[in-house]
This record gives sequence, structure tokens and C-alpha cells, in this order.
Amino acid sequence: EVQLVQSGAEERKPGESLKISCEASGYSFTNYWIAWVRQMPGKGLEWMGLVQPGEAETRYSPSFQGQVTISADKSIRTAYLQWSSLKASDSAIYYCARAHSSWYQDSWGQGTLVTVSS
Amino acid sequence: QSALTQPASVSGSPGQSITISCTGTLSDVGTYNLVSWYQQHPGKAPKLIIYEGSQRPSGVSNRFSASKSGNSASLTISGLQAEDEADYYCCSYSGRDTNIFGGGTRVTVL
Repeated sequence: EVQLVQSGAEERKPGESLKISCEASGYSFTNYWIAWVRQMPGKGLEWMGLVQPGEAETRYSPSFQGQVTISADKSIRTAYLQWSSLKASDSAIYYCARAHSSWYQDSWGQGTLVTVSS
Repeated sequence: QSALTQPASVSGSPGQSITISCTGTLSDVGTYNLVSWYQQHPGKAPKLIIYEGSQRPSGVSNRFSASKSGNSASLTISGLQAEDEADYYCCSYSGRDTNIFGGGTRVTVL
């Protein structure tokens, strides 16, 4: 069974850094991309970007390029989403999802709530 | 890069059929047959219900079907059931190795 288990909820202050994780199991980790999707409170889904764990290649939506860093460590089957300087507007639920080469996401993590507040 | 356009809400009575539209441009929906659809119940993670335009994953009810015409895609839910009440999102490949989601549609079963 494919499973993506995300790290727990985080609270940070504006300007702080943060790295959240997504641990995969039940499939060949390096054969699929891992995508990250943002959902701001009461709003829709926004595709942020993805990483190919085998090659460490990344792609970003223009809206998120330079705002976040996506990475992966294939030795521990884990993908990451990180911020160097958080803003209040980064408060949201972040989902990781397994992504196929035909650009759909078939298995999703449970989501990580990030709250940024002074 | 603007989100794909979906109606904010669609409603129907049990047993009826409803259709959700998803309008993009020649940069995404119009060029690529790579539209996927997701169902999201409140407080839950999204669930894939359609991929590659019209394909259903194993385990997804055949009451869900989808198609595309020009720059628009659509999702039809037939035989509407109470459990179908949720938010639905379309998503399309938009070139340069990126995806884009629609704004989402709230489906209400009357």
C-alpha cells in the first residue's frame, strides 16, 4: 500500500525558517516524483512544484519559484519543503503527493498545517 | 499563470446528474490531454478521481466521468449521492513541467 506520512503541525514566527517532511512507503521511491500542494485557509489547492528523488531534479510553479525549496533524500525515502524566511501569508496546509509522469497526483499525504504568526 | 476557472458551486438532488466545468487556455487544457480531477471532503486530503482526461483509478465509482472539448474540461457525476457532497478540483499540465489547479467547485446534494 502506497503511503505518504507527513510531519506534524508547526508554529513559527515571521522571518523564521522551517522544513517539513513527507515520508513515502509502499512503492519504489525513485520511480515517481513527489509534488507539494498548498491550501490556504478556506481556499483552493495550489500546485507548488515537485522533486524527482532519484535524480534530485526539481520543478517549480512560477508562483512559488524562489519562495520555497523542494528536496528529497532517497536514502530515507523522504521529501522536504522548506522556507528560509516565513511570512504570515505562508500559513496554510501543505500536502505532498506522489506524482506520475502524466502529471497527476494519485496518493496524498495527510497534510501539514503551518501557522506563521507573531 | 492564472488558476483554471471552475464554478464556485453546483448543486443537485439525489439521483440527478451534475456537471462541473473547468476552463483553461491553449497553454494548458487546450493543448494537453492531461487533466485530472480531485475530490476533497472537509478536513481531508484530496483524492484522485480522474486522470489523463477521462481515466478512473481503481476503486473510483463509474458514476464519475470526464471529458474535454477545446480549452475546457468537464466532470460529470451521475446518480448523485449524499457522499458526493465535497469540493472538486480540476488540474492540468500547463507546460514547462508544471501543473495548475482550478479554483474548486463546492458540490451540494440537496
